[in-house]
Amino acid sequence: DVKVTQSSRYLVKRTGEKVFLECVQDMDHENMFWYRQDPGLGLRLIYFSYDVKMKEKGDIPEGYSVSREKKERFSLILESASTNQTSMYLCASSFIVKPQHFGDGTRLSIL
Amino acid sequence: AQKITQTQPGMFVQEKEAVTLDCTYDTSDPSYGLFWYKQPSSGEMIFLIYQGSYDQQNATEGRYSLNFQKARKSANLVISASQLGDSAMYFCAMREGGQGGGADGLTFGKGTHLIIQP
Repeated sequence: DVKVTQSSRYLVKRTGEKVFLECVQDMDHENMFWYRQDPGLGLRLIYFSYDVKMKEKGDIPEGYSVSREKKERFSLILESASTNQTSMYLCASSFIVKPQHFGDGTRLSIL
Repeated sequence: AQKITQTQPGMFVQEKEAVTLDCTYDTSDPSYGLFWYKQPSSGEMIFLIYQGSYDQQNATEGRYSLNFQKARKSANLVISASQLGDSAMYFCAMREGGQGGGADGLTFGKGTHLIIQP
């Protein structure tokens, strides 16, 4: 079975902090994705990566950056966290022609 | 403009009944893929079923089937013989190009909250 692991289920940080969300997959997938999920808005794509050191902006990249130094790991970085970044964050991975598999999500609260 | 529209914010259904969850989509690309995901209250997203735009037959996976009407741009999920464990949020999603294969992310609808009543 595919395993996508997000480092934390729940995280509480303060405004202005630099926040790292980590995601690791164990299936050698080329593609990795970060989404955020807000009530009534569904999932929105923040960034994605199709190879090591490659990254592409999604629909809502402002205020975020990403890092993919190894194929299995994709990190989402909030450079200076703000309260409007309080959300559920979901990581996913896939082969090019296969459906995406998701991690369990990280509920991030910015106080 | 919304690319994926799920018009039912919530649904209540009696156990053992069949359920149809609506999804309409908007794209000018002739090659695309449509996906349905289930999200229980625990939060994980579970892939259910996939339909490619060139697939001749409607996709089926166990109790799940996809009623694909290309001309209407609809891709409704049908759950047969619903169970209490089917209670969850359900999301329709699309990826344009390559029959839905590719490196791009998915575009999701806002979801339907399905509650199965005993």
